[in-house]
Order: sequence, then C-alpha cells, then structure tokens
Amino acid sequence: NAGVTQTPKFQVLKTGQSMTLQCAQDMNHNSMYWYRQDPGMGLRLIYYSASEGTTDKGEVPNGYNVSRLNKREFSLRLESAAPSQTSVYFCASRPAEGSGNTIYFGEGSWLTVV
Amino acid sequence: QKEVEQDPGPLSVPEGAIVSLNCTYSNSAFQYFMWYRQYSRKGPELLMYTYSSGNKEDGRFTAQVDKSSKYISLFIRDSQPSDSATYLCASRGGQNFVFGPGTRLSVLP
Repeated sequence: NAGVTQTPKFQVLKTGQSMTLQCAQDMNHNSMYWYRQDPGMGLRLIYYSASEGTTDKGEVPNGYNVSRLNKREFSLRLESAAPSQTSVYFCASRPAEGSGNTIYFGEGSWLTVV
Repeated sequence: QKEVEQDPGPLSVPEGAIVSLNCTYSNSAFQYFMWYRQYSRKGPELLMYTYSSGNKEDGRFTAQVDKSSKYISLFIRDSQPSDSATYLCASRGGQNFVFGPGTRLSVLP
C-alpha cells in the first residue's frame, strides 16, 4: 500500500527559485494537508483542502500556493524561495467526515534554500 | 500560548522501563486526541487515537485523556530500543489538527 506519496524527497534551491512539491494519496481520502516541520516548532499547517475543488489557508501560508488537482493530488508551490522556507514538508490526508478523525502522513520532503 | 504544549525532552530510559509522555492543550473544543510516532527522517505514523476522556490500551501502549485538566498522556510499558523515536501528541479542532512539538525518546539497551 503506497498511502501518501511525496516527491521529491530532497531538494536544494537557490533563493528566488521556484518549485512544486507533489503529493498523491491512494486511499480515496477527501481532505489533504500540507505541513512544515521545524525544530522546536512542531508541525505547522500551511494549507489544507477539505475536498476536491477547495483550498484554505492554515497557520503559515505566506510564500506558498497550493493546487488540489483532483481527489488524489495536492501540490504545494514555492514561487520565490527564501531561506526561511528551509524545512521538512509533510503532506497528509484524511478520510471523509464520519469515516475517520486521524490524518495519515507521507514520508516528507527535505527542502534547503541557500 | 500554543494550543498544544509538550516537553521536548530528550528523555532517556533503560530498556524495560515504563515511559510516561505528556501533553497539555488549551482549547476546550478539542475532542479527538492522537499520538504519533516519528522515526528519524520519516513521516509521523499514527500510534494511538482516543475520543474524549478516558483510557485506551493497545499492546504495550496506553493513551489517557483527562479533559477536565486538559491533559493527554501516553504510557509505554516494557520499553524497547525500537521505541526510540519522537512522539507527537495531537488534537483535532475543526478541519485542522494541532500538534505538539514532540518529545524525543531514547530507550537504551
């Protein structure tokens, strides 16, 4: 079972470059999330998508954009990368309301902005 | 104040010890509580899930929620070196899941 798959796993960017982190889930989940994890800060929500066609800002959305391409895929884009965006990024998904109250994570994407 | 607080540790215990990991939360609306385990360079994996107050046991793991004091606990019995990881507590508020910063646990052989 693949679960939640993220690509790439590692990436080094120069300041000002753009890139897109890809995420796909094969569990037929409705909701999808992007978090970033920094030492001492825990997991912080960047954006989430409650269902196909909808997206909402989380705690730290500045500098990011998202696209819910279809039910399976939710991408995160950095338009002009900054060193402050150096972090580990996790995609997650959750079943439909009433079918589960927990979220399931991918393996993470390690991003360094120099 | 963060909505979920957790002592980051690190916590080191000998193999076979009982481990107690704790979190506090501030939002009275939280009803769903989770513990995730995260190995180095891996994504968090769900360990335990509880709804409202009470205890839930799964093998060597027991999750406990006390809503009156807004306290979440995870107990690990007969701890093993393979339990060495970072443990994240989490609560659900609406569509969002709020996480503590995690406690790093080392179980020494």
